[in-house]
Amino acid sequence: ETGVTQSPTHLIKTRGQQVTLRCSSQSGHNTVSWYQQALGQGPQFIFQYYREEENGRGNFPPRFSGLQFPNYSSELNVNALELDDSALYLCASSPDGQETQYFGPGTRLLVL
Amino acid sequence: RKEVEQDPGPFNVPEGATVAFNCTYSNSASQSFFWYRQDCRKEPKLLMSVYSSGNEDGRFTAQLNRASQYISLLIRDSKLSDSATYLCVVKLAGTALIFGKGTTLSVSS
Repeated sequence: ETGVTQSPTHLIKTRGQQVTLRCSSQSGHNTVSWYQQALGQGPQFIFQYYREEENGRGNFPPRFSGLQFPNYSSELNVNALELDDSALYLCASSPDGQETQYFGPGTRLLVL
Repeated sequence: RKEVEQDPGPFNVPEGATVAFNCTYSNSASQSFFWYRQDCRKEPKLLMSVYSSGNEDGRFTAQLNRASQYISLLIRDSKLSDSATYLCVVKLAGTALIFGKGTTLSVSS
């Protein structure tokens, strides 16, 4: 097990709504990244946080935002949900100095 | 051009077969390379890192050719449990992972 947990496991929302997804990493894992994986695709990088500061962002609009907290938990917030936001959302964490990222089980979001 | 491109698959092989997956990447500044395995409806899990000298882990062998920007994964003596999607992944220094679309392997008895 990676020690990374995510909640909820599944979620159904309607277009225009807002959603918050949560991730809890292992102690000492100061870097957390969020990815979106659409059906049949590889994960796409959304953004990355290091010690509570965003330090990298992929090609996602500003309605995707995040937070990282001192207790190694983090959130992904998505506003104004669109049908194309339906996907598996993965968080991954890594300790300082390591390139390897450890993934949580993901949250499967369906937007109707 | 996609940053990481993989054989589309699917690969359907019998137990005991040897199968090879190929991957190319576009950014020559890429510094770290990995193969991840993803089972259906599960999260990706690190299979192995890939080093320039090539590396082996049991039945799995990974190769990297920086000049050609090419990565490969060889699976020998395929098992039913090897059935999964294999994701080629590259990373620039200090940035996030860049995934290929994945190649699906189905091993049958």
